[in-house]
Amino acid sequence: DADVTQTPRNRITKTGKRIMLECSQTKGHDRMYWYRQDPGLGLRLIYYSFDVKDINKGEISDGYSVSRQAQAKFSLSLESAIPNQTALYFCATRDSTNYGYTFGSGTRLTVV
Amino acid sequence: DAKTTQPPSMDCAEGRAANLPCNHSTISGNEYVYWYRQIHSQGPQYIIHGLKNNETNEMASLIITEDRKSSTLILPHATLRDTAVYYCIVSPPFGNEKLTFGTGTRLTIIP
Repeated sequence: DADVTQTPRNRITKTGKRIMLECSQTKGHDRMYWYRQDPGLGLRLIYYSFDVKDINKGEISDGYSVSRQAQAKFSLSLESAIPNQTALYFCATRDSTNYGYTFGSGTRLTVV
Repeated sequence: DAKTTQPPSMDCAEGRAANLPCNHSTISGNEYVYWYRQIHSQGPQYIIHGLKNNETNEMASLIITEDRKSSTLILPHATLRDTAVYYCIVSPPFGNEKLTFGTGTRLTIIP
């Protein structure tokens, strides 16, 4: 099983719909992150969480919300999806040392 | 965060060493150099990181210049599976979670 699992892998939704992307991890890491990647661009941070009671905005949090249901679960919601939220979304984890991030396989979201 | 500069693309023959450069002339004393790669549209994969000493692991070697203003990631015997976009990032280990991945270097391994 993957260390960081994202569901769904692909999703097409309509403008105005609410959608949730889910992420779960088996790494036991405290820190979890949601990133977005647009074609030809790098990754941009949406939200991050250091533990269940700690949620922080990233670079591009407008239009998104998150929930850290447990140490192992971190979900990203689009309350009212819009077409420019069409992108590849990645969840990542990191432990409390200075080692690198572990990323999930991504969710490709299309808003039509 | 310190800004990094990488060439947009590079080619390397299969079996040869791939040397990927990164300039980070504004790096601060507490910032580490991290390297990741992304194969097609998969999640980025951590490769290696370092502060000032050269580092080696099972995937690659990282050479950091003495002034820390640049570094080179070395894949010693490149294979076709090393074709990917490689990202160089500088960041302190703690206190800065807003890690920004730039556009990286697209490395193509030629058979």
